[in-house]
Amino acid sequence: AQTVTQSQPEMSVQEAETVTLSCTYDTSESNYYLFWYKQPPSRQMILVIRQEAYKQQNATENRFSVNFQKAAKSFSLKISDSQLGDTAMYFCAFMKHDIGGNMLTFGGGTRLMVKP
Amino acid sequence: DTGVSQDPRHKITKRGQNVTFRCDPISEHNRLYWYRQTLGQGPEFLTYFQNEAQLEKSRLLSDRFSAERPKGSFSTLEIQRTEQGDSAMYLCASSWTSGSQEQYFGPGTRLTVT
Repeated sequence: AQTVTQSQPEMSVQEAETVTLSCTYDTSESNYYLFWYKQPPSRQMILVIRQEAYKQQNATENRFSVNFQKAAKSFSLKISDSQLGDTAMYFCAFMKHDIGGNMLTFGGGTRLMVKP
Repeated sequence: DTGVSQDPRHKITKRGQNVTFRCDPISEHNRLYWYRQTLGQGPEFLTYFQNEAQLEKSRLLSDRFSAERPKGSFSTLEIQRTEQGDSAMYLCASSWTSGSQEQYFGPGTRLTVT
């Protein structure tokens, strides 16, 4: 079974600054996906960024980038030029690479507050 | 809007009553997932369908819970004899077969059992 751990329950950052959210995971799988999802207050969860484990290059998506360390089983999210709209719960999630489809295993989340 | 929709958005029920939730996935998606999210926690997997076949169920899904996807389109999740511990947000997600299998989430149904 997989586990995902987010060690920072809450974080805050000033608008326009950079913040890094941490995530570690445990798995015996060699091929898998990792995701960061954002859940704004009272709104639905949306995908922020995705990383395939077989790719060495870290994924980037505009102001969002990851630091994927496969050997250390670490997957952190960096948000650059933070905006007020980035205020949300952020969840790290793991999914086995299975052509039949598979469930997401989520961490406990990090509540991020962007301050003006 | 062609995203995942869920109905109702909120449900308040008394302990012991039965409740049913509906999820309409993105139309071309053949996979549908149910998750449960308690306050301040990450979502936990409940069950998963590919077309009309229920392929996986979590041990969280006790015999009071049943899910269906009769024609491979919308899905229903029923909870019988609700308990206070069932109070949570119930999330539905859908995905396509190929590619990254990215799951798109609906807005959820918040259940409160009094």
